[in-house]
Amino acid sequence: AQSVAQPEDQVNVAEGNPLTVKCTYSVSGNPYLFWYVQYPNRGLQFLLKYITGDNLVKGSYGFEAEFNKSQTSFHLKKPSALVSDSALYFCAVRDPNSNSGYALNFGKGTSLLVTP
Amino acid sequence: ETGVTQTPRHLVMGMTNKKSLKCEQHLGHNAMYWYKQSAKKPLELMFVYSLEERVENNSVPSRFSPECPNSSHLFLHLHTLQPEDSALYLCASSTSAGSFGAFFGQGTRLTVV
Repeated sequence: AQSVAQPEDQVNVAEGNPLTVKCTYSVSGNPYLFWYVQYPNRGLQFLLKYITGDNLVKGSYGFEAEFNKSQTSFHLKKPSALVSDSALYFCAVRDPNSNSGYALNFGKGTSLLVTP
Repeated sequence: ETGVTQTPRHLVMGMTNKKSLKCEQHLGHNAMYWYKQSAKKPLELMFVYSLEERVENNSVPSRFSPECPNSSHLFLHLHTLQPEDSALYLCASSTSAGSFGAFFGQGTRLTVV
């Protein structure tokens, strides 16, 4: 079974400081990993993905994520947070060898609050 | 604008009503999904369609009935829902390989009274 864990319900960061939103996964084999952001009353927006290659992945709005196979983690990072980054962030995983279809499994989400 | 459009954006219905949610994508994708998002819970995958064929049904009650008439359209027919079915219902689409993730619509906020 595949699963994704986001251990923090909420992350608070001051504007201008670096931010990290944590994600760990459990998938047999080589996973496809994703980060999505959700603003209030909106659907999910794709931020970035890791399929293969360089462990550091750069995405939209200055976000990046680092794939760490030994720690089975895919933490989302940004060097300098903005108030407008405040939103709900979801980590997701897909097992390319799974027979259960093509869908993503999502973590429960982490609420990011960036204060001025 | 993600290329996935859901209508209506908001829906209030009684427990005896019948209503339908609509999803449309013009991205050339051939897999479509329904997810349910409830407060304080992870996104729950409900249904997956690939090439217009249902390939996954995650133990969803029969009061939810999906329909995929073609690769661009997906419906969720609702009948005799319960108040606990109130949630944000999200539609998504992807290539059948799924390696590029999924694109989501903005969701339909459903309230069952």
